[in-house]
Amino acid sequence: QQQVKQSPQSLIVQKGGISIINCAYENTAFDYFPWYQQFPGKGPALLIAIRPDVSEKKEGRFTISFNKSAKQFSLHIMDSQPGDSATYFCAAWRISNQFYFGTGTSLTVIP
Amino acid sequence: NAGVMQNPRHLVRRRGQEARLRCSPMKGHSHVYWYRQLPEEGLKFMVYLQKENIIDESGMPKERFSAEFPKEGPSILRIQQVVRGDSAAYFCASSPPGGREQYFGPGTRLTVT
Repeated sequence: QQQVKQSPQSLIVQKGGISIINCAYENTAFDYFPWYQQFPGKGPALLIAIRPDVSEKKEGRFTISFNKSAKQFSLHIMDSQPGDSATYFCAAWRISNQFYFGTGTSLTVIP
Repeated sequence: NAGVMQNPRHLVRRRGQEARLRCSPMKGHSHVYWYRQLPEEGLKFMVYLQKENIIDESGMPKERFSAEFPKEGPSILRIQQVVRGDSAAYFCASSPPGGREQYFGPGTRLTVT
């Protein structure tokens, strides 16, 4: 059973556009929600993360929006660039130190 | 502070051989996680270890796979009698006690011929 559901599976965005990736969860025990970025041939790298008592977190062009009541969170990449082309994973953490990952979104930003 | 280190980066084994993958967590991190990733697919959780303890191995195949994280030295993921289906990238991640974020290594790409 997939604890964290991620969509879309793939996404193509024009340079300068906004990329939006969505995730949803059911388990209310989750207490932290990181996002990871993975380039081909590399390990995933922590990108940005949010706690459930915060509705939005912004770091540069990357923003997480969090809706606790709907149990949904999303990653927004503003002014998307070709260098943002990568696979993005959302994740959820709970106090037992277990992490649950979404299935990933392959983002392609075309010039 | 060095990141998570994995070796070897690439490993080729013939069917039936054993594969040993090593992971050195970041300094101060006592929690290690192993994941498997097939091409164009997501991260599949395998096992979560703390020093000398397996905390959660619910993602590990019941046979041929084992993992350890000894008091001293790196964490080891061992695959015995490898088969072609074991070919994948294996990632290790570490986190500190109570840490809410994992940090990944560069992965070991296993090819079984």
